[in-house]
Amino acid sequence: GENVEQHPSTLSVQEGDSAVIKCTYSDSASNYFPWYKQELGKRPQLIIDIRSNVGEKKDQRIAVTLNKTAKHFSLHITETQPEDSAVYFCAAMATDSWGKLQFGAGTQVVVTP
Amino acid sequence: NAGVTQTPKFRILKIGQSMTLQCTQDMNHNYMYWYRQDPGMGLKLIYYSVGAGITDKGEVPNGYNVSRSTTEDFPLRLELAAPSQTSVYFCASSYSRLAGSNTGELFFGEGSRLTVL
Repeated sequence: GENVEQHPSTLSVQEGDSAVIKCTYSDSASNYFPWYKQELGKRPQLIIDIRSNVGEKKDQRIAVTLNKTAKHFSLHITETQPEDSAVYFCAAMATDSWGKLQFGAGTQVVVTP
Repeated sequence: NAGVTQTPKFRILKIGQSMTLQCTQDMNHNYMYWYRQDPGMGLKLIYYSVGAGITDKGEVPNGYNVSRSTTEDFPLRLELAAPSQTSVYFCASSYSRLAGSNTGELFFGEGSRLTVL
């Protein structure tokens, strides 16, 4: 089955700097890669996703890149703000897997003023 | 729309007790899931359902059971609770137009924090 590894487990950045979280996946059939943000005590919420026919996607200060050959994808947050502090999860899914997402272990991002 | 609603939010169980976590969604989503979240371990899939009357095991199904008698409801039953089941449980739902295929956004409930002592 699919295995998703996520690094780093914790990331501390100064406000205004960029943050990068990297994930690798094992199943070459995976073709959908969402990122979820979970604030302390809250539910995970989708912030951005990318499909395998696209190499990069951007939404304001966040962007995701995908390298299918190397089987890795990354989340980039620019101009970080205190409200970006949260746990971020990457995930991977194959089209014929009935929507079953395989999540990474998560990255705790702390943005310090 | 209320989205995905889970109850209870918190529960303490004694070893060997049983309980049911309730989950209901009002978005007419056909796919529903139960995940558990342990610290530093991400989200692990327990069971999922692709429609009323259809359920299947996920990655960590042992010690749990589910049913899906309606599109809206997907309860998770814990039989003979064990300390290893101490976790935060999330119910989620999504919509798929194509059988077997689903890359729709997953909507999560607020979570249920369960402690087994």
